[in-house]
Amino acid sequence: AQKVTQAQTEISVVEKEDVTLDCVYETRDTTYYLFWYKQPPSGELVFLIRRNSFDEQNEISGRYSWNFQKSTSSFNFTITASQVVDSAVYFCALSGNTGGFKTIFGAGTRLFVKA
Amino acid sequence: DTGVSQNPRHKITKRGQNVTFRCDPISEHNRLYWYRQTLGQGPEFLTYFQNEAQLEKSRLLSDRFSAERPKGSFSTLEIQRTEQGDSAMYLCASSLGTVAETQYFGPGTRLLVL
Repeated sequence: AQKVTQAQTEISVVEKEDVTLDCVYETRDTTYYLFWYKQPPSGELVFLIRRNSFDEQNEISGRYSWNFQKSTSSFNFTITASQVVDSAVYFCALSGNTGGFKTIFGAGTRLFVKA
Repeated sequence: DTGVSQNPRHKITKRGQNVTFRCDPISEHNRLYWYRQTLGQGPEFLTYFQNEAQLEKSRLLSDRFSAERPKGSFSTLEIQRTEQGDSAMYLCASSLGTVAETQYFGPGTRLLVL
């Protein structure tokens, strides 16, 4: 069975602090994909990143960076120098070749960035 | 705007009534997905289509739920004899491809069953 765990329900930081959102996944698939989505108060899920199981290179995009470690089944997301506009719910998701690449989402981490 | 659109954005209905939601995917996207999201949870998969074929349905999708994508373009999700437990946000997403390509989400339809 596939599972995504986001142990942090809520995180509160002060603007300009760095923050890391944790994601741990479980899958028996050899080929799988990991995603992060942002859901701002408006409600629409916004795609942030997609990673396949064969690519463990970390990625940086502006203030965002992702650390994928297969050895610990983790795909963590770091926001550097957080801003108030980063306040949102962030979801980690997994899609594997078993079951037709159906996407399983974690419960999300709500991030509050205070000015 | 060429993103995924959903209508209506909000729906309030009485228990026992039928409701229908519509999703218009990004044009040329061959896959279309429906999810349900309740407060404090991540989206839960309901069903997906590849073109007009419905390829998988979740066990969450009881026989009161039906989805169609008749011409491989827009899709409808109907809930018959609504129950209070059906109150949720219903999300639609679309993607292009045949594997775990990126899904792009619409704004959702928020359903409240009184």
